[in-house]
Amino acid sequence: DAGVTQSPTHLIKTRGQHVTLRCSPISGHKSVSWYQQVLGQGPQFIFQYYEKEERGRGNFPDRFSARQFPNYSSELNVNALLLGDSALYLCASSLDWGINYGYTFGSGTRLTVV
Amino acid sequence: GQQLNQSPQSMFIQEGEDVSMNCTSSSIFNTWLWYKQDPGEGPVLLIALYKAGELTSNGRLTAQFGITRKDSFLNISASIPSDVGIYFCAGQLGDTSYGKLTFGQGTILTVHP
Repeated sequence: DAGVTQSPTHLIKTRGQHVTLRCSPISGHKSVSWYQQVLGQGPQFIFQYYEKEERGRGNFPDRFSARQFPNYSSELNVNALLLGDSALYLCASSLDWGINYGYTFGSGTRLTVV
Repeated sequence: GQQLNQSPQSMFIQEGEDVSMNCTSSSIFNTWLWYKQDPGEGPVLLIALYKAGELTSNGRLTAQFGITRKDSFLNISASIPSDVGIYFCAGQLGDTSYGKLTFGQGTILTVHP
């Protein structure tokens, strides 16, 4: 079985540009969460989606947006990129909605903004 | 927002030694999770704790959910070179915040053969 798949694995963008990151959850998983991990720190929560609806949002500016598709895959969009957006972006999927459902992380997309 | 203080920040040990790391918070969490992250990879779940006072083992790993629900520790016994990596604690509130994990800053573990 495939795990959580993220694409692309690496990306270099220029300040002010827009980026779209993609995530395919484990087959059968309905919930997807996005995290930003800056070098040397723990992951920071950005969004959670369940059944195509936003269920949680972290403390990130409106430049960050996301959506979940009918097949439960998800996109994270970041507009007007800043140097500080350089980070590893992680997607995590979960079978269902609830505290006892574990989260499986993908390997991430390494975004570098120059 | 919630903050998790994880210590120590880094550890350098000899193969065969035991390791202990912990996490404390000013907030109460309903779930504590411990993850390991290798370079270029996402975090991998090691142990999940769902009840205050719970003590859970996974091979050489043992973790406990503190009675106050504001802390947790992870022990690794008889360390081996493949234990090298970054270990993160994460807390989960529950209620309507199921998807939001709050992570500690990580403990970098180096094991000398």
